[in-house]
Amino acid sequence: QVQLQESGPGLVKPSQTLSLTCTVSGGSINTGGYYWSWIRQHPGKGLEWIGYMYYSGSTYYNPSLQSRVTISMDTSKNQFSLKVNSVTAADTAVYYCARYLSRYESSGSFDYWGQGTLVTVSS
Amino acid sequence: QSALTQPASVSGSPGQSITISCTGTSSDVGGYNYVSWYQQHPGKAPKLMIFEVTNRPSGVPDRFSGSKSGNTASLTISGLQAEDEADYYCSSYSRSSPVVFGGGTKLTVL
Repeated sequence: QVQLQESGPGLVKPSQTLSLTCTVSGGSINTGGYYWSWIRQHPGKGLEWIGYMYYSGSTYYNPSLQSRVTISMDTSKNQFSLKVNSVTAADTAVYYCARYLSRYESSGSFDYWGQGTLVTVSS
Repeated sequence: QSALTQPASVSGSPGQSITISCTGTSSDVGGYNYVSWYQQHPGKAPKLMIFEVTNRPSGVPDRFSGSKSGNTASLTISGLQAEDEADYYCSSYSRSSPVVFGGGTKLTVL
């Protein structure tokens, strides 16, 4: 059973960098067919895809966030990470990591999710 | 504003059937059979309920079914139960972004 767990600071100051890590257990992130993903949910709002990374190192980002976001992987620790630069209050959200299963080109669904972690941007 | 349009809320009584729609364009929902549906209870992570328009992951009751017609996908829940009360989100592949979500629908079981 694959499990994902987010970790990182719950409070970040405006203009600083938000950094989160997702630790994966029960399966290797260094495997084809899966994209390792970040999704966020603003308080009381819907889901927003941030981006994902393939084990090969390829990354794909939401065009609206692309200029401020970086996703990376550490296969030795079976972890992947998210950095969001120059944060504002609008980045306050619950951040989820998830596994995106892609059976065919362009297909995919988030089949395993972390529990989510609330990150608040405030001075 | 979300890329995919869902009704803000739907409701139904126990035992009834309800349908939640997810409307996009030919660049996303209409152009690909890659629509997924997620259920989210308050304070919990979303759970995959339907993938590739009609497929149910193992463990999801067959009361949940998906379909698509043109640019609109639908999630139908038959034999509504109290535990089905939750928020539901659709997602799709899109030519403009690999993943787009709907705004979510709150299902109330009366």
